[in-house]
Amino acid sequence: ETGVTQTPRHLVMGMTNKKSLKCEQHLGHNAMYWYKQSAKKPLELMFVYNFKEQTENNSVPSRFSPECPNSSHLFLHLHTLQPEDSALYLCASSLATLVETQYFGPGTRLLVL
Amino acid sequence: KQEVTQIPAALSVPEGENLVLNCSFTDSAIYNLQWFRQDPGKGLTSLLLIQSSQREQTSGRLNASLDKSSGRSTLYIAASQPGDSATYLCAVLFGNEKLTFGTGTRLTIIP
Repeated sequence: ETGVTQTPRHLVMGMTNKKSLKCEQHLGHNAMYWYKQSAKKPLELMFVYNFKEQTENNSVPSRFSPECPNSSHLFLHLHTLQPEDSALYLCASSLATLVETQYFGPGTRLLVL
Repeated sequence: KQEVTQIPAALSVPEGENLVLNCSFTDSAIYNLQWFRQDPGKGLTSLLLIQSSQREQTSGRLNASLDKSSGRSTLYIAASQPGDSATYLCAVLFGNEKLTFGTGTRLTIIP
């Protein structure tokens, strides 16, 4: 048990759907992250939040919209996705941004049809 | 361009043998380097974090080394076990606070 949970674990959606991914950490951390993991590609950092404030957005398309209502919860709102967005989406948290060890959730496997 | 490379992409080793996984990076100005393992369909588990000022870190049968000048890190696994089978990822936090992952080495320990 890593202390970071993600729901749902699997998601299938059409290109016109709107869905949200949820991440929750029970570790008392201040920083949270969204990553995308596609087959045969390195893990890509999408967003970084520190004390609920977004500190990094790595040129992610606007069809991905993050939300961090508090230090324990992180959402990724999905809208009008493309088939190439199909991937494993991983959430992580750490005590401080980037320089500390990150703890990962199990991920949400997303398939866009 | 800051890149992290892990070669080979896959490795098979008989149980009980010692092995070394490699990670290379293109910029020596780094904050830290971290090794993770990932089991199929799962998230990442942190194994070892080496700060820029350190040369190595050890945890049980694992030992990670860091040579910034040559842009290399190794993860040494002693007395390998079938449970060590997983994909091992290397991640480098560069000096510009850009966190970059390698594509990983898929390790299979043969019983």
